[in-house]
Amino acid sequence: DVKVTQSSRYLVKRTGEKVFLECVQDMDHENMFWYRQDPGLGLRLIYFSYDVKMKEKGDIPEGYSVSREKKERFSLILESASTNQTSMYLCASTWGGLEQYFGPGTRLTVT
Amino acid sequence: AQTVTQSQPEMSVQEAETVTLSCTYDTSESDYYLFWYKQPPSRQMILVIRQEAYKQQNATENRFSVNFQKAAKSFSLKISDSQLGDAAMYFCAYRTSSNTGKLIFGQGTTLQVKP
Repeated sequence: DVKVTQSSRYLVKRTGEKVFLECVQDMDHENMFWYRQDPGLGLRLIYFSYDVKMKEKGDIPEGYSVSREKKERFSLILESASTNQTSMYLCASTWGGLEQYFGPGTRLTVT
Repeated sequence: AQTVTQSQPEMSVQEAETVTLSCTYDTSESDYYLFWYKQPPSRQMILVIRQEAYKQQNATENRFSVNFQKAAKSFSLKISDSQLGDAAMYFCAYRTSSNTGKLIFGQGTTLQVKP
């Protein structure tokens, strides 16, 4: 079975802190994604990566950056966390096929 | 740009009954894929069912089936013989035919199953 793991289930950070969210997949998938999930808005794509060191902006990249140094790991970085970044963050991966596999999510609270 | 709309924020169904969740989308493409994903409370999102736009036949997976109306850009999910374990948030999603695998999600519908 494909496994996508995220570094934390719950995270509480202060405004202005630098925040790292990590995602690891074990199936040699080429493509990885970061979404944020907010009530009434569904999932919105922040960034995605289609290969090591390659990345593309999604629909809401402002305030975020990403890093993919190894194929299995895709990190989301909040350079200076703000309260409007309080949300659920979901990582997903796929090999370019038809199904995305999701991690359990990280619920981030910025106070 | 493509959009996906789920107009039912919440639905409820009696155990063993049938429920239909609605989804509409907007696209100018002719080749694409549509999905329904399920997110149980505090659990990971999983794929329920997939439909290729070029296929006229509606997809089915056990108790789950879709009604795909390409001209109307409608993609509803029917759950038959509802079970308590079907309680979850359901997301409709659209994927283009490009190989990036990017998905566009609807707002989600929370399904409650009453015993």
